[in-house]
Amino acid sequence: KNQVEQSPQSLIILEGKNCTLQCNYTVSPFSNLRWYKQDTGRGPVSLTIMTFSENTKSNGRYTATLDADTKQSSLHITASQLSDSASYICVVLTGNQFYFGTGTSLTVIP
Amino acid sequence: DTAVSQTPKYLVTQMGNDKSIKCEQNLGHDTMYWYKQDSKKFLKIMFSYNNKELIINETVPNRFSPKSPDKAHLNLHINSLELGDSAVYFCASSQVGLSPLHFGNGTRLTVT
Repeated sequence: KNQVEQSPQSLIILEGKNCTLQCNYTVSPFSNLRWYKQDTGRGPVSLTIMTFSENTKSNGRYTATLDADTKQSSLHITASQLSDSASYICVVLTGNQFYFGTGTSLTVIP
Repeated sequence: DTAVSQTPKYLVTQMGNDKSIKCEQNLGHDTMYWYKQDSKKFLKIMFSYNNKELIINETVPNRFSPKSPDKAHLNLHINSLELGDSAVYFCASSQVGLSPLHFGNGTRLTVT
């Protein structure tokens, strides 16, 4: 069964600290994996897209990793800011179908 | 310019009513989608349209019907609304390949 699981479900960190969000998937065959950020009251916005051959990709303070062998991905946020408070959603594409994770709710406090 | 726009942003209505949500994208994408986000923030696909052809229908009730007058629009019609239909509905679009999904800002539907 194609599934995408994320952990932790929620996370609270102090401003300036780093954090890592996890995504495990069983989707097959694999096309690519995407991380989205969803601010409250807004639609999700793409942060990174990773293909099978990519291990690491950065977008500013966001760094995504992918291990296609173990079917795991992580999103590392460096020097967190208050504006990073949002839900982060992992999405895996197979063929023309997207599979969504349940998301991690991140709260950054001053 | 808003890439994917959906209206209305909020919709409050009574059980049994029929309502529509509109969606337009100006990205030239060939595929549009409707997603339902429940109270636990889980996004579940409802429909997708590629070149006016329905290609995914995730067993949603037939009270929900997508209507695509052209490549840039995918509207969602809902008949005989039920309490369980209360949720946030997101429209999205993408282009085949590595293009990410571009989402609208959602329509919060409340059925009373």
